[in-house]
Amino acid sequence: GDSVTQMEGPVTLSEEAFLTINCTYTATGYPSLFWYVQYPGEGLQLLLKATKADDKGSNKGFEATYRKETTSFHLEKGSVQVSDSAVYFCALSAINFNKFYFGSGTKLNVKP
Amino acid sequence: DAGITQSPRHKVTETGTPVTLRCHQTENHRYMYWYRQDPGHGLRLIHYSYGVKDTDKGEVSDGYSVSRSKTEDFLLTLESATSSQTSVYFCAISEPDRRSGNTIYFGEGSWLTVV
Repeated sequence: GDSVTQMEGPVTLSEEAFLTINCTYTATGYPSLFWYVQYPGEGLQLLLKATKADDKGSNKGFEATYRKETTSFHLEKGSVQVSDSAVYFCALSAINFNKFYFGSGTKLNVKP
Repeated sequence: DAGITQSPRHKVTETGTPVTLRCHQTENHRYMYWYRQDPGHGLRLIHYSYGVKDTDKGEVSDGYSVSRSKTEDFLLTLESATSSQTSVYFCAISEPDRRSGNTIYFGEGSWLTVV
């Protein structure tokens, strides 16, 4: 069945460091891929998305490229800030479009 | 902002009592969902709805029921709350779009503690 696997955390970085959070997926057909961010005490917010192979989603300095050949959608940011500290979730929506599958989340801690 | 409001945002209740959480949306979305989030388990789907009076079970539906009598409201009921249902509950809606793909949007969450 469809699923998402993302790297376990927590990930701890210093401010201005480069961030990569790995995400791989299993799906039939051509799913849409997403990254969501959750700040403490809040709901999940859409960070970025990509709907077809080789698409790059980007927002607030974060980027992820839909790689069908490696079934991956890794999240990257060139220079993280303390305010980026949050939990990040990778997700996909399947051909049956009302179904969504989420990774387990990766907690990011950014230290000054 | 997908116009989702959850109530109550925080509730403490006793074991064995019924509890209803409400999700209200203002933008006429067809699909609505209830998830729970627990440490070590991530997000788990409880129930979802694909229209008025059309609902289906998710992966952790035991002990929960839902109702959707109006497009804008999706209610989650714990008939007899247990301590294992202490969790954060998120309502969500999905917005299908043939061009940009479907996307799911979440409410702010309802923190439920069963003592």
